[in-house]
Order: sequence, then C-alpha cells, then structure tokens
Amino acid sequence: GAGVSQSPRYKVAKRGQDVALRCDPISGHVSLFWYQQALGQGPEFLTYFQNEAQLDKSGLPSDRFFAERPEGSVSTLKIQRTQQEDSAVYLCASSLEGGGGRYEQYFGPGTRLTVT
Amino acid sequence: GENVGLHLPTLSVQEGDNSIINCAYSNSASDYFIWYKQESGKGPQFIIDIRSNMDKRQGQRVTVLLNKTVKHLSLQIAATQPGDSAVYFCAENTGGFKTIFGAGTRLFVKA
Repeated sequence: GAGVSQSPRYKVAKRGQDVALRCDPISGHVSLFWYQQALGQGPEFLTYFQNEAQLDKSGLPSDRFFAERPEGSVSTLKIQRTQQEDSAVYLCASSLEGGGGRYEQYFGPGTRLTVT
Repeated sequence: GENVGLHLPTLSVQEGDNSIINCAYSNSASDYFIWYKQESGKGPQFIIDIRSNMDKRQGQRVTVLLNKTVKHLSLQIAATQPGDSAVYFCAENTGGFKTIFGAGTRLFVKA
C-alpha cells in the first residue's frame, strides 16, 4: 500500500522567497505531524493535526511558518520569506490514531529545503 | 533525510554480532518510548516501542529495555546484518502531542 508521500523531494529557494511543502498522509490516518531535521540531528517537532484541527503548533520556529490541513487529509507547510537557517529536511508523519505522539508514526521521505 | 549521521556517535559491529544502542532521556514524566531507524535519504522507520509500565519488550531480532530509575533506554539488535546499518533514534512522549527525538547513533555493520 502507499505510504506517506511528500513533494517536492528537493527545493532550492532564494532567501526571501516563499515555499510550500506538501504531505500526503496514509489514507484514513487521523494524526499528522511535521518535523524539521537539521543535518546530523534528530527530527524536531513542528506541529500536529488531528484531522483538520491543528492542536499543537508549539514547535513552529517563527510566525513565518504556517501549516494547514483543511480537509483532514493532505497538509501543506508554508514558509514565508525564507532564511538560510530554514535550510533543513522537513519530514511529515501520519498515525492511524488520534492522541498525538502516543502511537506508531509513519514517516514520509522528507523534503530537503536549501535556502541560498 | 540525506546525509543523516554526520557527526553522530558511531557504533561499529561485526556482521552476526549483537548490537546495543543506548539512549538517556531527560523527562521523568515521559511514558512512551520509541526507537526509529533512519537510512540515508529516507524518513525514520518505526522499529519498536515500549510504554512505561513495562521494562522490556521484544520484537523480531530487536529488544527494547527501559530503566526508569536511571532514565535509560536501550535497543538490542540480535545477529546484526549489513541492512541494519543506519542511524538509530530514540524518542519519547510525555502524554501530549509532541514526540521528542534524541540525537541519534550511527550503526555501522562490517561484513
């Protein structure tokens, strides 16, 4: 069956540009997570959706970061006015159950964002 | 993601030997723990989990041990194979929505 997919896989943006990263979770999965992974580090939590509701956005580093999941399936992470420190791999994960990070998460391959 | 494992602690083992990867967690309120495997260019892959009401849990070729007294988690891989080469992350959850990942350990299996 299809796993979590993310697009694009690679994105190069000039500093100041806006970018939009897409996540297609596993069909029927209630929970959706976004993480940021810097080179050589573990993923860092950004935000969590239960269906269409964004229940935790405490990890978003600034108000330039915005995420949505309007119909409870596909999600988009938008970064406005990108900065060099935004360069990282952005990972999306989904989980069958609600309740946040208390169940197995299935990760996509990530989008590698490079800001020049 | 790509280039996962740069500057991470590295464990090197011979093929067929057992591997033990250790993790110290910081939050005594954490009650759910997970081990993930991440290969270069891929997202993390779930290996095994354990809840705080258990000390040990076994899967296929893997065992997770939890010592809440010293806040220590370990992953044991039996008969390590070249396909086990990857970066391994422990992760914890305190009951909220957020999962906190550790720094990772790179496992290198010598054939």
